[in-house]
Amino acid sequence: AQSVAQPEDQVNVAEGNPLTVKCTYSVSGNPYLFWYVQYPNRGLQFLLKYITGDNLVKGSYGFEAEFNKSQTSFHLKKPSALVSDSALYFCAVVGNNRKLIWGLGTSLAVNP
Amino acid sequence: NAGVTQTPKFRILKIGQSMTLQCAQDMNHNYMYWYRQDPGMGLKLIYYSVGAGITDKGEVPNGYNVSRSTTEDFPLRLELAAPSQTSVYFCASSYSNTLNSNQPQHFGDGTRLSIL
Repeated sequence: AQSVAQPEDQVNVAEGNPLTVKCTYSVSGNPYLFWYVQYPNRGLQFLLKYITGDNLVKGSYGFEAEFNKSQTSFHLKKPSALVSDSALYFCAVVGNNRKLIWGLGTSLAVNP
Repeated sequence: NAGVTQTPKFRILKIGQSMTLQCAQDMNHNYMYWYRQDPGMGLKLIYYSVGAGITDKGEVPNGYNVSRSTTEDFPLRLELAAPSQTSVYFCASSYSNTLNSNQPQHFGDGTRLSIL
């Protein structure tokens, strides 16, 4: 079955430290992968996507994500976290039926 | 540039009442979507539309109806509100066709609906 997993409900990191939000997927073939961010009382905002090519994808607000086909992962990273990065992060993958499969989200808390 | 606009932002309904959640986009996107978001449950697709006059069911369509008479508008209707429909509802749109599914979705800021 096609699926996306975000294994951590919550991630806590100190301001200035690097952050990683994990995502793994189960889709056959070459996936399209996305990261979105949701700030409190707002809709989701697109951060970045992987379609093909370079495994390291750069996106908005200094975020990047690394596609690893052998580990079927697409972890979101940022070298230096800001308090304003505190939000809910969603990973999503386009499945074989061309429909988007969403992860359950990871709450990121950046402590000052 | 407005993007995706949802109205109302908040609403309280009584059990059995009906209402329509409005969604409009000004990006000329073909695809539009309705999701509900419940705590810890992620996003659940209710209905989607691939163009004016065409709609299809998502994962959780029961208790809801949609229509798509124009490219811009995609209203969601609750006919007989039930407590289980208390949720935050998001509308989204994307430029996408069956050959190119790599376009991101653009979301509105949601309608927070409580049914008492």
